[in-house]
Amino acid sequence: DVKVTQSSRYLVKRTGEKVFLECVQDMDHENMFWYRQDPGLGLRLIYFSYDVKMKEKGDIPEGYSVSREKKERFSLILESASTNQTSMYLCASSRTENGYTFGSGTRLTVV
Amino acid sequence: QKEVEQDPGPLSVPEGAIVSLNCTYSNSAFQYFMWYRQYSRKGPELLMYTYSSGNKEDGRFTAQVDKSSKYISLFIRDSQPSDSATYLCAMSRPSSGTYKYIFGTGTRLKVLA
Repeated sequence: DVKVTQSSRYLVKRTGEKVFLECVQDMDHENMFWYRQDPGLGLRLIYFSYDVKMKEKGDIPEGYSVSREKKERFSLILESASTNQTSMYLCASSRTENGYTFGSGTRLTVV
Repeated sequence: QKEVEQDPGPLSVPEGAIVSLNCTYSNSAFQYFMWYRQYSRKGPELLMYTYSSGNKEDGRFTAQVDKSSKYISLFIRDSQPSDSATYLCAMSRPSSGTYKYIFGTGTRLKVLA
């Protein structure tokens, strides 16, 4: 069964910390995405990558950066965590237009 | 105006009812349409995928796309309590081979036993 694995289900971090969220897919997909999901706002795209070492900003990139050193791994970095970054973070991957495969999500709380 | 609009619900129906979930959109360039189901505290899972206009059926689920009205629907027949979840529509236009989807905010469905 194809899989997108996010390293943590729940995280609690302090304001100002640097936070790393890891995502690994085993499907050899070119495209990988990071979304955040908030009540009433739905899924908002933070960053995406269509190839190794390639990245593009999504709709809300401020305060975030990403890294894709290997095809199967896409990392989201919160440079200095703030309380307004408390959210559910979802990683997804795709090869074609036939939709995404999502990970189970990481619920991040910044205190 | 949002590119994709979806009623957040919640929508409560009795077991066995036919459920209709809908999204409207503004970008006529959208060609790929999807429905995802998301259970509480889980990631979304792909339910239905449709290219361009028309209907697609898979078991109890039917997806419809009306491009002239910029309107898509998901019908669930013989709804079950296990269908209780949030349903997200998503759509995309091809762009340099990167299929970036725009999501609706989701409709929360409760099927009552």
